[in-house]
Amino acid sequence: DGGITQSPKYLFRKEGQNVTLSCEQNLNHDAMYWYRQDPGQGLRLIYYSQIVNDFQKGDIAEGYSVSREKKESFPLTVTSAQKNPTAFYLCASSITFTRDAYEQYFGPGTRLTVT
Amino acid sequence: LAKTTQPISMDSYEGQEVNITCSHNNIATNDYITWYQQFPSQGPRFIIQGYKTKVTNEVASLFIPADRKSSTLSLPRVSLSDTAVYYCLVGDDPGGFKTIFGAGTRLFVKA
Repeated sequence: DGGITQSPKYLFRKEGQNVTLSCEQNLNHDAMYWYRQDPGQGLRLIYYSQIVNDFQKGDIAEGYSVSREKKESFPLTVTSAQKNPTAFYLCASSITFTRDAYEQYFGPGTRLTVT
Repeated sequence: LAKTTQPISMDSYEGQEVNITCSHNNIATNDYITWYQQFPSQGPRFIIQGYKTKVTNEVASLFIPADRKSSTLSLPRVSLSDTAVYYCLVGDDPGGFKTIFGAGTRLFVKA
């Protein structure tokens, strides 16, 4: 089955530690995204990647880093510089440069708790 | 991207038709209107997309008036499992690189 996987589902870290969230897709999509969602809020875009080896900052990129070395993978690192890292993180992908690019496919999310 | 306004929450009962309206007064000529559904602790799921008039799929209908300054998502005969947050997005690249999800509309379906 095609889709997006995120791991782990729950992640706990101590303050001051960097942590990397995994996102893999087998949909052959060019574009991938990372969002953050806080309780009762909408989604905020952290980073996006239109194509391999390219990525752009979203609205709240400070304290985060990404890489896109493979088409299938778009890992997100939450660094110690992120002041409020506890949140629900969602990865998504879409086909780009076509009408079908309008539909984003989301992973199940990773709930990160930093204490 | 055009700004959208939706009700914060709505209540309904099982079996009823639910209509959620989204206002997007500044919609541009090339903008499409897209709706997503999100259950707690899950990623959003694409429901429907349209440009004008009416679009229907197996899940919902989307009504768009001629001026396109608003749109209405219609869910026929809702069930308890339709309790979720519904997001309205407007933009000429809503699946692309500056997608903005607002707070959405929280729909509560009661028995």
